[in-house]
Amino acid sequence: SAVISQKPSRDICQRGTSLTIQCQVDSQVTMMFWYRQQPGQSLTLIATANQGSEATYESGFVIDKFPISRPNLTFSTLTVSNMSPEDSSIYLCSARTSAGTGELFFGEGSRLTVL
Amino acid sequence: QKEVEQNSGPLSVPEGAIASLNCTYSDRGSQSFFWYRQYSGKSPELIMSIYSNGDKEDGRFTAQLNKASQYVSLLIRDSQPSDSATYLCAVKTGANNLFFGTGTRLTVIP
Repeated sequence: SAVISQKPSRDICQRGTSLTIQCQVDSQVTMMFWYRQQPGQSLTLIATANQGSEATYESGFVIDKFPISRPNLTFSTLTVSNMSPEDSSIYLCSARTSAGTGELFFGEGSRLTVL
Repeated sequence: QKEVEQNSGPLSVPEGAIASLNCTYSDRGSQSFFWYRQYSGKSPELIMSIYSNGDKEDGRFTAQLNKASQYVSLLIRDSQPSDSATYLCAVKTGANNLFFGTGTRLTVIP
């Protein structure tokens, strides 16, 4: 397994501002991902964070809105840009330690509220 | 068509009973299947994984997979109030993507 730390754990933000969420994993992992979980809903994959290159975004998510960095194997950031109330959600960092079996481990999440 | 479907519940069972959670998936080529437990306000926690047809038991939990029917289930024996949570079914489809169902909310009544 992997221990995944995220910060901030929660924040209240003003409309139009941007916030960067940091994710640190305690061991080297093969893949890192960012998910969003809106109130009462399941998890939606935003993007795969690729080490040293541009992230791979899922349909409906774009780099300008959700820029992602992954400078090394154990650290990634997600920025939520130009926030609106619709961005109020829990953002979850996750990591996979074994590409063959596919288990994902999650950080504690960052709960963002946009006013 | 959704990739992974679950009955959203809520499912209520008395303490000590067996809770049965079900999940169907659409991609017949899926190879890896997972059950996560999510307590309110917390992140998902992996509790079971299953890769081949049949049953896999771990303590009070049993995962069942039937690839022909594209069906995976989770049984919780001797349910405890601490099992009350939302259970998410997840299916690995393709190289990287893990699709999650909407979750089934389970309440175990003391």
